Amino acid sequence: DSGVTQTPKHLITATGQRVTLRCSPRSGDLSVYWYQQSLDQGLQFLIQYYNGEERAKGNILERFSAQQFPDLHSELNLSSLELGDSALYFCASSPGDRKPNYGYTFGSGTRLTVV
Amino acid sequence: DQQVKQNSPSLSVQEGRISILNCDYTNSMFDYFLWYKKYPAEGPTFLISISSIKDKNEDGRFTVFLNKSAKHLSLHIVPSQPGDSAVYFCAASGRDFQKLVFGTGTRLLVSP
Repeated sequence: DSGVTQTPKHLITATGQRVTLRCSPRSGDLSVYWYQQSLDQGLQFLIQYYNGEERAKGNILERFSAQQFPDLHSELNLSSLELGDSALYFCASSPGDRKPNYGYTFGSGTRLTVV
Repeated sequence: DQQVKQNSPSLSVQEGRISILNCDYTNSMFDYFLWYKKYPAEGPTFLISISSIKDKNEDGRFTVFLNKSAKHLSLHIVPSQPGDSAVYFCAASGRDFQKLVFGTGTRLLVSP
């Protein structure tokens, strides 16, 4: 157990629908990162939050949004889902807004299947 | 635009031998490099990192080498063990460390 909790582990939904993925960071970590891994692809950075504020944005579609709440958990909202959104979505956390010696701590991911 | 590239999708090695995983990058602003290991149905796990001011970092059986002029890094595992069988991702970040850019991964299979 890495200490980063992602729910749900699996999600199957239809095109056009909206889903919410949840992430609880490791205790004490203030930064949360969201990554998408499509089939045979590397992990693509989506967005970072630090202590409730958006800090960095990657290749995140306009149909996707995220937020980090006062208790530091984060949610990734995916709307108007398309078949191509099927992927593994990982959340990671780190202690703060500077580089740690040990990288990020990842959760085990949410596998989203859009049918 | 793939800024971090792992050109070998897979690598097979015998137990006890050396495993060498390679990674190339294109962005000269990258300042920090990391290797992650990923088992099926689990998230990536941090393995080892190296700052751009160094050319080598060692941690037990794992050593990372950085050649800045060639924009190339490699991970050496000696001796390789069957439990090392996993997908290995190379990642890089700028000085602000606000995001990690990952390669596509290399699947390592260590056979007994």
